[in-house]
Amino acid sequence: EAGVAQSPRYKIIEKRQSVAFWCNPISGHATLYWYQQILGQGPKLLIQFQNNGVVDDSQLPKDRFSAERLKGVDSTLKIQPAKLEDSAVYLCASSFWQSTTEAFFGQGTRLTVV
Amino acid sequence: QKEVEQNSGPLSVPEGAIASLNCTYSDRGSQSFFWYRQYSGKSPELIMFIYSNGDKEDGRFTAQLNKASQYVSLLIRDSQPSDSATYLCAVSRGDKLSFGAGTTVTVRA
Repeated sequence: EAGVAQSPRYKIIEKRQSVAFWCNPISGHATLYWYQQILGQGPKLLIQFQNNGVVDDSQLPKDRFSAERLKGVDSTLKIQPAKLEDSAVYLCASSFWQSTTEAFFGQGTRLTVV
Repeated sequence: QKEVEQNSGPLSVPEGAIASLNCTYSDRGSQSFFWYRQYSGKSPELIMFIYSNGDKEDGRFTAQLNKASQYVSLLIRDSQPSDSATYLCAVSRGDKLSFGAGTTVTVRA
């Protein structure tokens, strides 16, 4: 079974630039999560999709972050414009069934904003 | 109050000893409880999950859950240097999954 795929693995941008991350979940997984993990901290949920609908985006900084999951499969997370404090690892995870939440993570994208 | 709280550590244990990790959560309606292991620079990987009060053992790992006390723990027996990592406690209600900040464990050879 293929795992959660994310790209790119690393990205360095200047502040005020824009950046996009891509995630392909495990086949059949209806729930997709985007987490932000700042160095030394636990993952913080940014947005959660159930199929192509948003379940929770309460911690997403909507003035600069956006995410979509077209057709309920792949997802993209965008930051525009980026700030220095956005430097973090962005983790995508997916799970099969809403009450199980046994989430599987991708390798993550390490973003550095300079 | 944070949804999920863990001792930040670091926790240093000698090889062969038992490492004990603790986690408390604030939502009494939480239904499922997970322990993830995260090596430095890597993504979290699931090592244990528990749904019911009591103990659940898997190899050298034992998860313990006490819903009345809103407490979940992880014991690592016969600790090995390869167990050196950050252990993340995660709690879910429905499909909302929340993580603690993690406890860093170092196993001394």
